Amino acid sequence: AQSVTQLGSHVSVSEGALVLLRCNYSSSVPPYLFWYVQYPNQGLQLLLKYTSAATLVKGINGFEAEFKKSETSFHLTKPSAHMSDAAEYFCAVSSYNQGGKLIFGQGTELSVKP
Amino acid sequence: DAGITQSPRHKVTETGTPVTLRCHQTENHRYMYWYRQDPGHGLRLIHYSYGVKDTDKGEVSDGYSVSRSKTEDFLLTLESATSSQTSVYFCAISEHRVGQDLRQPQHFGDGTRLSIL
Repeated sequence: AQSVTQLGSHVSVSEGALVLLRCNYSSSVPPYLFWYVQYPNQGLQLLLKYTSAATLVKGINGFEAEFKKSETSFHLTKPSAHMSDAAEYFCAVSSYNQGGKLIFGQGTELSVKP
Repeated sequence: DAGITQSPRHKVTETGTPVTLRCHQTENHRYMYWYRQDPGHGLRLIHYSYGVKDTDKGEVSDGYSVSRSKTEDFLLTLESATSSQTSVYFCAISEHRVGQDLRQPQHFGDGTRLSIL
């Protein structure tokens, strides 16, 4: 069975500080991993995806994530937080069952302080 | 942005009434999904479709049915709504060109906020 765990339901950083959102996965097969962002009253927007081509993946809005198989992790980072980054972030893995459904973590709400 | 429209965007209804949510896409993608989002649970799959008239259950399908008579439309029906079905519902689409390509991301609509009193 596949699963995703996001450590920390709330993360608060100051503007200009490093953003680190943690995601660990469990999968008995090679995983395909995604990070999505959700702004209030909106749907989920794809930030980036890992599909085995490169372990360091760059996404939109200056975010990137590194796939570490030995640590079963796919943490999301951004060097310098901006006020507009305040949102909820979801890590997800593609399932080999049920039409390739996404299995989501519980989400991490990012707050950015001025 | 992927062309996905969900309707209605908000709905308040009473327990026991039928409710139908609509997802319309303009991308001609083969796969469509319905998820529900609840605090502490992330998003969970209700049903999905892999083509016209081809649908299957997800992990939280009890109390829900779906239909897909055209590529562009995927309907979610609550036959007799219950308070436990109060949630935010999201439709997603994915372009699996050959079989089930797990590398393809899913693109989401803006959601329907459903309240059942």
